[in-house]
This record gives sequence, structure tokens and C-alpha cells, in this order.
Amino acid sequence: GNSVTQMEGPVTLSEEAFLTINCTYTATGYPSLFWYVQYPGEGLQLLLKATKADDKGSNKGFEATYRKETTSFHLEKGSVQVSDSAVYFCALSGGRSSARQLTFGSGTQLTVLP
Amino acid sequence: GAGVSQSPSNKVTEKGKDVELRCDPISGHTALYWYRQSLGQGLEFLIYFQGNSAPDKSGLPSDRFSAERTGGSVSTLTIQRTQQEDSAVYLCASSLGGDQPQHFGDGTRLSIL
Repeated sequence: GNSVTQMEGPVTLSEEAFLTINCTYTATGYPSLFWYVQYPGEGLQLLLKATKADDKGSNKGFEATYRKETTSFHLEKGSVQVSDSAVYFCALSGGRSSARQLTFGSGTQLTVLP
Repeated sequence: GAGVSQSPSNKVTEKGKDVELRCDPISGHTALYWYRQSLGQGLEFLIYFQGNSAPDKSGLPSDRFSAERTGGSVSTLTIQRTQQEDSAVYLCASSLGGDQPQHFGDGTRLSIL
């Protein structure tokens, strides 16, 4: 079945540092890939998505590229801010199983210090 | 409102009682999902409704869990004879279907004493 493996946290960075959160997946076919973010005390929000190989999703300065050859969808941001402190979840849906529900990684807690 | 609405936001109940959790999806969204978020298990899929099709119940952990969606809109997740391991945040999401992004509610935090 589908699975997502995500970089273990927590991650602590200083403001303006470069961020990478690794995510790899297992799925047959061509799933859609997502990053969701959960800010403290809030619900899950879609951050970005990519639906086919080599697509790059981007939003709020975050980027992730769908790499079919390495089955990866790593999240990056060039300069993090304190307001980026949150839990980040990598997820996928679809693929050959056509499953529409999301399969999530375990989440990565990011703390950005001023 | 414009988003997915869940109620109650918090529920505390005694072991063995039944609970009902409600989800009001975004208007026009044909797909509705329930997930559970717990410390030990992360985010887990429970059940999926798409239009008038039979629901995908493959994620329900036991026969104590059931859900229905009336009129293609509001959904209720019911847990019978609650156990302490049912304590979690129950999340509802809706979408336009297919691979369209899922929009999540704020969840119901369920605590079983």
C-alpha cells in the first residue's frame, strides 16, 4: 500500500536560515503529493501540492519538487521566519490504487527562533 | 461559514458511552473524509464518502465506529462503547473530489475518561 516517510523532528532553526524537510514515498503509479501545515492551535492547512513528476509546488516562499526517480517531495524554504513555526506533514493520495484518502507522514515540528 | 465546520470542538466522556461527532463540509464539496490524529498513531484515515457512492470504510479501526452522510452534506461519526484508546482529535475534510485538495476542519478533541 501507500506510505510516506518523513524526516524526524523536531527541527530548530534561527530566523533567515535555510529549511529542508525530507519526504519520500512508496506508491504504485503516479500519486499526487502534498505538504500540509498545522500552526499552533489551528487545523491542517494545505501548503502546496504537485500532481505529476517534475511539477514544483510553491506557496509562501516554500517549494517542493515531485521527483519520480527518487520518490521524493522534499520541502524547502530559503529564509524561514518565526511565523513559520508549525508542524509540517507530507502526504499523498491516488496512484494506481486510486485511493483518494490522504496517507500522511508522521509530521515534523519546526521551531524558528528570533 | 466558508470552511469545514466540526462540532463539538471538545468532548469529554466516560468509557463505555457512545459519542457522535458532526462535520459540516464546504458547500458544493462532494467528497468528505474522516481522519484521526493521535500521539501514537499520527494521522490515520477512517472513512471516505464520495457523492452517492458506497463509502470507503477501509480505515475504520473496529465495528464500534460508524459514519453516515445525510443528503450528501452533513456527516456524523459515531463511536459506540468508547474505550480509552479512542482518545484523539477527529478531523473532517472535504473536497471537490478526485485529486482536488482536501480542506480540513479544526477537529473534535475527544477525551475518554
